[in-house]
Amino acid sequence: GAGVSQSPRYKVAKRGQDVALRCDPISGHVSLFWYQQALGQGPEFLTYFQNEAQLDKSGLPSDRFFAERPEGSVSTLKIQRTQQEDSAVYLCASSPMSGRRTYFGPGTRLTVT
Amino acid sequence: AQTVTQSQPEMSVQEAETVTLSCTYDTSENNYYLFWYKQPPSRQMILVIRQEAYKQQNATENRFSVNFQKAAKSFSLKISDSQLGDTAMYFCAFMNMEYGNKLVFGAGTILRVKS
Repeated sequence: GAGVSQSPRYKVAKRGQDVALRCDPISGHVSLFWYQQALGQGPEFLTYFQNEAQLDKSGLPSDRFFAERPEGSVSTLKIQRTQQEDSAVYLCASSPMSGRRTYFGPGTRLTVT
Repeated sequence: AQTVTQSQPEMSVQEAETVTLSCTYDTSENNYYLFWYKQPPSRQMILVIRQEAYKQQNATENRFSVNFQKAAKSFSLKISDSQLGDTAMYFCAFMNMEYGNKLVFGAGTILRVKS
């Protein structure tokens, strides 16, 4: 079956541009997460959805970062006025319910020039 | 706040030999899960093994096993009969059930299996 998919896989943005990163979780998965992974580091939590409700956004680094999941399936992470420090791989993950296995997507590598 | 520490930035092992990756964590909670994830070069993160904190028995998955020492807050991964395909970055991760399902990751250990 299909896993978690993300698009685009690679994105180059000029500083100051807005970007939108898409995540398609596994069908039926209730929980959806976004993580940010800097080069050579472990992923860091950004935000968590349970269906369409954003239950935790404590990891979003600034108000330039915004995430949504309006119908409880596909999610979009938007970064406004990108900065060089936003360059990272953005990972999306989903799980069927609380405490169950988390499945990761391939990530979107964002490079801000 | 929970923290996860992986003190070995890089490890190498000969094919067919055994290697142990270290992980320690800090939490005041009792109800949590611990994980090891594998991230091959340019490929996505996959789960290697999972341990529930309330279980005393160490988890095993084929060639992979853990040594879970709850009092010491230690969670090491042993890979037996190492294979070239085991070459990857390995992340130790913590999940506190009281704070949703979010994972707290360590900085990772690069494992290189040599032929």
